[in-house]
Amino acid sequence: GQSLEQPSEVTAVEGAIVQINCTYQTSGFYGLSWYQQHDGGAPTFLSYNALDGLEETGRFSSFLSRSDSYGYLLLQELQMKDSASYFCAVRDGPDSNYQLIWGAGTKLIIKP
Amino acid sequence: NAGVTQTPKFQVLKTGQSMTLQCAQDMNHNSMYWYRQDPGMGLRLIYYSASEGTTDKGEVPNGYNVSRLNKREFSLRLESAAPSQTSVYFCASRPEQGAGVGYTFGSGTRLTVV
Repeated sequence: GQSLEQPSEVTAVEGAIVQINCTYQTSGFYGLSWYQQHDGGAPTFLSYNALDGLEETGRFSSFLSRSDSYGYLLLQELQMKDSASYFCAVRDGPDSNYQLIWGAGTKLIIKP
Repeated sequence: NAGVTQTPKFQVLKTGQSMTLQCAQDMNHNSMYWYRQDPGMGLRLIYYSASEGTTDKGEVPNGYNVSRLNKREFSLRLESAAPSQTSVYFCASRPEQGAGVGYTFGSGTRLTVV
């Protein structure tokens, strides 16, 4: 079967750094995406990694290791507005025809 | 504003009633998707459409039908609603190339079946 595993909940302190891990087991792999979803809102795209290594976008970074079937999202200088659920999703095919396989999400709780 | 528009935002149905959820995007995307989201279960794909005139089943298609009316619009129909279909429904679309852009989601429809 196909599966993505991520922690159900992570707690961190405002101003700190937090890492959300994602391990995957899928029949096809073209890349790993991360999405953010605030309570009551829609998922919004954060980042995409097709190759091994770290991608940085402001306070957020995403890492991928294809050999380990593993990735993580790193959030720095945490702010209260970062309290949300974070989903990893595997892209399983080329541009012409692919689906996203979703993890169950990690709820990030930030304490002042 | 460019994006994905879903209607209605909230709906309560009685068991056995039917309804259609509407979705439209103005980004000229070919691919469109319908997901449902239940607490703690992430997003599950119901149906998708890779282009105008084509639709395919996703992970959980039973109890649903879809219509890709044109390039902009992709509707989801519940013919006979059941309490198990109580969920939040999201429509999404994506560009053909450039996975680095990601999916764009609508704001969702919160459906309760009683």
